[in-house]
Amino acid sequence: LAKTTQPISMDSYEGQEVNITCSHNNIATNDYITWYQQFPSQGPRFIIQGYKTKVTNEVASLFIPADRKSSTLSLPRVSLSDTAVYYCLVGPSNFNKFYFGSGTKLNVKP
Amino acid sequence: GAVVSQHPSWVICKSGTSVKIECRSLDFQATTMFWYRQFPKQSLMLMATSNEGSKATYEQGVEKDKFLINHASLTLSTLTVTSAHPEDSSFYICSAPEARGLRLEETQYFGPGTRLLVL
Repeated sequence: LAKTTQPISMDSYEGQEVNITCSHNNIATNDYITWYQQFPSQGPRFIIQGYKTKVTNEVASLFIPADRKSSTLSLPRVSLSDTAVYYCLVGPSNFNKFYFGSGTKLNVKP
Repeated sequence: GAVVSQHPSWVICKSGTSVKIECRSLDFQATTMFWYRQFPKQSLMLMATSNEGSKATYEQGVEKDKFLINHASLTLSTLTVTSAHPEDSSFYICSAPEARGLRLEETQYFGPGTRLLVL
């Protein structure tokens, strides 16, 4: 399974746009990229998933360059409640087991 | 979206006792479920894959006799921590993928987690 690398932590302020980049140099042709959010003492929550180019939903956007060796999660206008750990995961399908990396701890300040 | 539940949400037990944690898919069937463990300030660590109707497959380093997994039905997997010790204290999380026809890119849904404290 492709290994992922993310920044350990990021700081931001309320109202700013936050971009978290994940490197996955060994991503396979049939791998999808999925991002999860985790609050303390809770299970991870699905944010967004993509295969290539750009995907947008009501909470985030996911940018994937043509070579797919990295991806960027974009959170528009973050609030204090977006303070959490964000995980980037890659895998060939929904039924594949996930090996979590370190994740990125986002700290949103007032 | 699909919902996965866990029971109990937290449990305290004495050292040497066994603890059972349930993972249920509430509105979909899951032939496969996954169990993770998470220590404070660390990432999730995959423990095992639970397969309905067959034996679970364990990750390297995870003792199968200590962490018993039973996938009794298409909506229920249980993890039993046998002869628990304080070092087994952790946050246990399950996940289940939802099948929607042939769309393999659908996501996995995670349970809310179970906090285990072994005294």
